[in-house]
Amino acid sequence: GQQVMQIPQYQHVQEGEDFTTYCNSSTTLSNIQWYKQRPGGHPVFLIQLVKSGEVKKQKRLTFQFGEAKKNSSLHITATQTTDVGTYFCAGPLRGNEKLTFGTGTRLTIIP
Amino acid sequence: DAGVIQSPRHEVTEMGQEVTLRCKPISGHDYLFWYRQTMMRGLELLIYFNNNVPIDDSGMPEDRFSAKMPNASFSTLKIQPSEPRDSAVYFCASSFAVEQFFGPGTRLTVL
Repeated sequence: GQQVMQIPQYQHVQEGEDFTTYCNSSTTLSNIQWYKQRPGGHPVFLIQLVKSGEVKKQKRLTFQFGEAKKNSSLHITATQTTDVGTYFCAGPLRGNEKLTFGTGTRLTIIP
Repeated sequence: DAGVIQSPRHEVTEMGQEVTLRCKPISGHDYLFWYRQTMMRGLELLIYFNNNVPIDDSGMPEDRFSAKMPNASFSTLKIQPSEPRDSAVYFCASSFAVEQFFGPGTRLTVL
């Protein structure tokens, strides 16, 4: 079964509001990746975090890797309609190449 | 580069028929992954190859599923015989480092 959980499963926000999705793994991860999937599209790589406590920013997106390397978060500031989609975290639970994807958080923006 | 190419994009078939999905990875990538995405089970890794060799097929649901990679530029995922519960979007992805590049997917419907 799933060993990488994300919450919330769904999030509806007004345009301009902030959004956060949380990712939790049952085991320590060597790294964590984030992907975005637009409705009807395919997952697209956003970023990889490797170090404990690492924080990376991409414009309005802030990614964080937990100190224990078992959790991560993605925060979007001032959401825009282009942010619509499902955000997945993914980590190598077994081995280095094989990723286990989280359950995903589906973001909907209310204009 | 055209990215990962998958065909067909949509497939509708009847239960019991053989289905073959095709994938052309990005040139130079040495890893190829097959995923299945459904609402119920999310994004699941079925099998992955490294340098055309299957490394881990533990995600393949059952013997009805088989995958091959005869050369570095082509892979197939075959379902024989197909069943309605196989209905899903099947993604192929390739990589040479961290980032996985996903194809557009094949939406399979088994009636």
